[in-house]
Amino acid sequence: NAGVTQTPKFRILKIGQSMTLQCTQDMNHNYMYWYRQDPGMGLKLIYYSVGAGITDKGEVPNGYNVSRSTTEDFPLRLELAAPSQTSVYFCASSLGRQPSYNEQFFGPGTRLTVL
Amino acid sequence: AQSVSQHNHHVILSEAASLELGCNYSYGGTVNLFWYVQYPGQHLQLLLKYFSGDPLVKGIKGFEAEFIKSKFSFNLRKPSVQWSDTAEYFCAVNGVNTGFQKLVFGTGTRLLVSP
Repeated sequence: NAGVTQTPKFRILKIGQSMTLQCTQDMNHNYMYWYRQDPGMGLKLIYYSVGAGITDKGEVPNGYNVSRSTTEDFPLRLELAAPSQTSVYFCASSLGRQPSYNEQFFGPGTRLTVL
Repeated sequence: AQSVSQHNHHVILSEAASLELGCNYSYGGTVNLFWYVQYPGQHLQLLLKYFSGDPLVKGIKGFEAEFIKSKFSFNLRKPSVQWSDTAEYFCAVNGVNTGFQKLVFGTGTRLLVSP
């Protein structure tokens, strides 16, 4: 199993550009998540999904969109990049049912810089 | 709402010293508790987890944590640290009875072990 994979690893965007961060998991997990990590701030949940076709907002959803058309994929879309979106983005997944439903497995991250 | 506090933001130890990192959470019901580690430049990996049963849980690489329900704490310990333990450590909690099982992370503790 590859686990959770993310592409790209690094990206530099100009203000106002758009991009999609890709996330795929091969563990047949129901739940998937997007976090951003800023220095000294821990992880903040952007969006999550409890299954294909079902998504919902986390703590910091503004400026982002998601979709979940398949169990495996959970892309994160930035429509109009802003410097405040400079961060490291982590995708994660979890089984979504007992006994270990919220043990989350993380991808390697995407480091995004918006200039 | 759930919250997690990690009181030590930075810890510096010499090799072979003992480690204890504090984690306190606020949630009145049943919880699942996790410690994740992030080595420099890498993604988060699970160190250990508590779901139920013995409140003293052992994880990988000689780490352990004790769940003290009366103190709402889940402190991480290691008897003798190594240089390779240099990393950032995150405590996380989710309330079992809160509907969607959102995982809430602390802000992290950065550990530096000097050789």
